[in-house]
Amino acid sequence: AQKVTQAQTEISVVEKEDVTLDCVYETRDTTYYLFWYKQPPSGELVFLIRRNSFDEQNEISGRYSWNFQKSTSSFNFTITASQVVDSAVYFCALSEAINTGTASKLTFGTGTRLQVTL
Amino acid sequence: KAGVTQTPRYLIKTRGQQVTLSCSPISGHRSVSWYQQTPGQGLQFLFEYFSETQRNKGNFPGRFSGRQFSNSRSEMNVSTLELGDSALYLCASSWGLAGGRANTGELFFGEGSRLTVL
Repeated sequence: AQKVTQAQTEISVVEKEDVTLDCVYETRDTTYYLFWYKQPPSGELVFLIRRNSFDEQNEISGRYSWNFQKSTSSFNFTITASQVVDSAVYFCALSEAINTGTASKLTFGTGTRLQVTL
Repeated sequence: KAGVTQTPRYLIKTRGQQVTLSCSPISGHRSVSWYQQTPGQGLQFLFEYFSETQRNKGNFPGRFSGRQFSNSRSEMNVSTLELGDSALYLCASSWGLAGGRANTGELFFGEGSRLTVL
């Protein structure tokens, strides 16, 4: 069975601080996909990134960066110079191989609530 | 383009009643999946529909059902409501495997329908 663990329930930082959200996953699949989603107070989940199990390159997008380490089954997310608008709940998720047609069945972690204050 | 639309946004029911929630996917998307979000269980996959067929199902009792119409709009129904069914029900759409488009696995979520069972 697949499992995603986000051990940090809540993190509070002051604006401009860097913050890392941890994600550890378990799967028996050799091909899988990892995702990060952001859930602002309005409720909808906003897609941030998708990573496949064969691509361990780190990725940077503006102030966001992701560190995928297959050896430790981790897919951590770092926000550099955090801003108040980053305040939200962040979810890490895992899906089995998309080509099997089950891309929509994501296993989510319990989320990390990030509070950024002035 | 218009995002995923869910109706109603909020509703209150009593135990034993039934409820129907509606989801209109992004134009062109043929896969619709549903998730239940509760404080205790987090985000859990309910089911996925693609081209009017249920393609995948999560571990929920038979009281939870869904369907998809030819225009890809989807409804989910919960019968004989229980207090524990109080949750935010999120709908997500994606291309699925339709039309030769690459299936990136990115899900586009609506803002959800918040159900309260009294």
